[in-house]
Amino acid sequence: EVQLLESGGRLVQPGGSLRLSCAASGFTFSSHAMNWVRQAPGKGLEWVSGIIGSGGSTYYADPVKGRFTISRDNSKNILYLQMSSLRAEDTAVYYCARGIYFIMGGMVDFWGQGTLVTVSS
Amino acid sequence: DVVMTQSPRSLPVTLGQPASISCRSSQSLVYIDGNTYLGWFHQRPGQSPRRLIYQVSNRDSGVPDRFSGSGSDTDFTLKISRVEAEDAGVYYCMQGSHWPPYTFGQGTKLEIK
Repeated sequence: EVQLLESGGRLVQPGGSLRLSCAASGFTFSSHAMNWVRQAPGKGLEWVSGIIGSGGSTYYADPVKGRFTISRDNSKNILYLQMSSLRAEDTAVYYCARGIYFIMGGMVDFWGQGTLVTVSS
Repeated sequence: DVVMTQSPRSLPVTLGQPASISCRSSQSLVYIDGNTYLGWFHQRPGQSPRRLIYQVSNRDSGVPDRFSGSGSDTDFTLKISRVEAEDAGVYYCMQGSHWPPYTFGQGTKLEIK
């Protein structure tokens, strides 16, 4: 059974930093691209970042480019999102979502339960 | 970026009646590999999204056959043949053919009358 378990979300001040983690199990982690998708309170879904199975290529949405860094540890089956220079508009539930292929493109299938990041003073 | 436009935004439906949600993309979603990467997701309050349909019309494992997806190019539809109470929530379409970024529709809230 595919399982994705996010952690690391908390209250952080504007300008602060945070690292989210997503522990994966039930599938061959290194064979799938992985993504972060966020959902602001009461709003829709917004793709944030993606990384291919090997970790060799990464992609970002414009609002987070230069501030967020996605990475993965295939030996531990963990996906990360390092977030810096956080803004109030980054407040959201952050989900990790599995890509269907090793590379980006295509679709996502399984999602984690999400972790809440609140940026506020 | 590809803009995904869903309609309606709100959909009140009586139990046992059909429901239909439209999703239109600002560009053709036919990918370079010949596939069309359009999916539908269902999100209940307080839960994460669950994929129902992938590549326009393929139901995911465990998804009831009252759900069906259709369409092509830029025009897609999710249909529920007979709505049940557990179908309440928000439905999103998503495209994975033009990236980055992947993009989602704004969501359609299905409520049971």
